[in-house]
Amino acid sequence: SQTIHQWPATLVQPVGSPLSLECTVEGTSNPNLYWYRQAAGRGLQLLFYSVGIGQISSEVPQNLSASRPQDRQFILSSKKLLLSDSGFYLCAWSAARGMAQHFGDGTRLSIL
Amino acid sequence: TQLLEQSPQFLSIQEGENLTVYCNSSSVFSSLQWYRQEPGEGPVLLVTVVTGGEVKKLKRLTFQFGDARKDSSLHITAAQPGDTGLYLCAGANNNDMRFGAGTRLTVKP
Repeated sequence: SQTIHQWPATLVQPVGSPLSLECTVEGTSNPNLYWYRQAAGRGLQLLFYSVGIGQISSEVPQNLSASRPQDRQFILSSKKLLLSDSGFYLCAWSAARGMAQHFGDGTRLSIL
Repeated sequence: TQLLEQSPQFLSIQEGENLTVYCNSSSVFSSLQWYRQEPGEGPVLLVTVVTGGEVKKLKRLTFQFGDARKDSSLHITAAQPGDTGLYLCAGANNNDMRFGAGTRLTVKP
């Protein structure tokens, strides 16, 4: 069966520090991968998606970037965090674009 | 951009009551998913509907896809505290999927 792992579960970082959140998927090949940010208890904002290694599409201009160095690895990064980067970050995978997505447990990021 | 509107935004009911939440759009979708999310966790897929007029049942939950594939409803019978959570709908079209803002359901014992 397929599983998705996301870490860390929580992270507290100072303003201006770098960020690296990692997501890995097991049990499937060539998944579509996604990074979302979720405001407190509300809907999901798509940040990035990837259909293959090295292929990244950005949905919104922002202080973040994404990379896919391996087929089942998706990384969310920032060189310098802003206060506005605080939030709940979710990684997800699907078999193809437009198909049901399966989510990790999320990372709660707090910027101080 | 496909805009999905979910209503109500918040719903608080007593254990044992029935409820219906809605997901509406002006766009036609090839499929629509419903998810439930508990605090501090990722959304969990409940169901996918693909055919206009389709009805799917998952224990006490009944999902319906509108005939025109623009809207969907989720009905819960005899709600339980374990049903508490954020219910999200997501519509897919042209290899794109968009999420609604969700309905926050609280079921009080």
